[in-house]
Amino acid sequence: KAGVTQTPRYLIKTRGQQVTLSCSPISGHRSVSWYQQTPGQGLQFLFEYFSETQRNKGNFPGRFSGRQFSNSRSEMNVSTLELGDSALYLCASSHASGRGTDTQYFGPGTRLTVL
Amino acid sequence: QKEVEQDPGPLSVPEGAIVSLNCTYSNSAFQYFMWYRQYSRKGPELLMYTYSSGNKEDGRFTAQVDKSSKYISLFIRDSQPSDSATYLCAMSVRISGGYNKLIFGAGTRLAVHP
Repeated sequence: KAGVTQTPRYLIKTRGQQVTLSCSPISGHRSVSWYQQTPGQGLQFLFEYFSETQRNKGNFPGRFSGRQFSNSRSEMNVSTLELGDSALYLCASSHASGRGTDTQYFGPGTRLTVL
Repeated sequence: QKEVEQDPGPLSVPEGAIVSLNCTYSNSAFQYFMWYRQYSRKGPELLMYTYSSGNKEDGRFTAQVDKSSKYISLFIRDSQPSDSATYLCAMSVRISGGYNKLIFGAGTRLAVHP
């Protein structure tokens, strides 16, 4: 079974621009979560989508948004980029069955650099 | 105070050493406990998970949970240079709506040198 895929793997943008990142979850997984990882802050939760609905959100400004499509694929958008948005953006998928661990499986991430 | 505390290291050990990685937590509602391993420039991969106090073994890895002390550990026996990575603990709690929320520790960077 194919793992979580993320595109693109690397991005370089300038301040003020916007960016869209894409995530394809493991087949059968209905939940997609997004995380921002930086050396200083570690892994920080952005939001989670389940069946095309955002059901959980972290403490990030409104510049960060996302959506999920009917095939469970998800996109994350960051508008008006700031230097501090440079990070590894990770997507994780899970069954979200509500039973057990709902273990999350991560993609390789998209490394965003804002100049 | 963070819900999950993890010493970021770095931790440097010689090959063959026993490694102990630890996390403490404050929320007694955490139900499931996981360890992820993350190699440089890769996404985290699930190493082990457990939900009860006690030990769970998988090859050279042992996950230990002490719910009374709110403390979890990952032990790596006969450590290898290929174990050099960042290890993140993660804990799951059921929240309103009936689904689980995952909280991660900061990660401990481990280097095993030959």
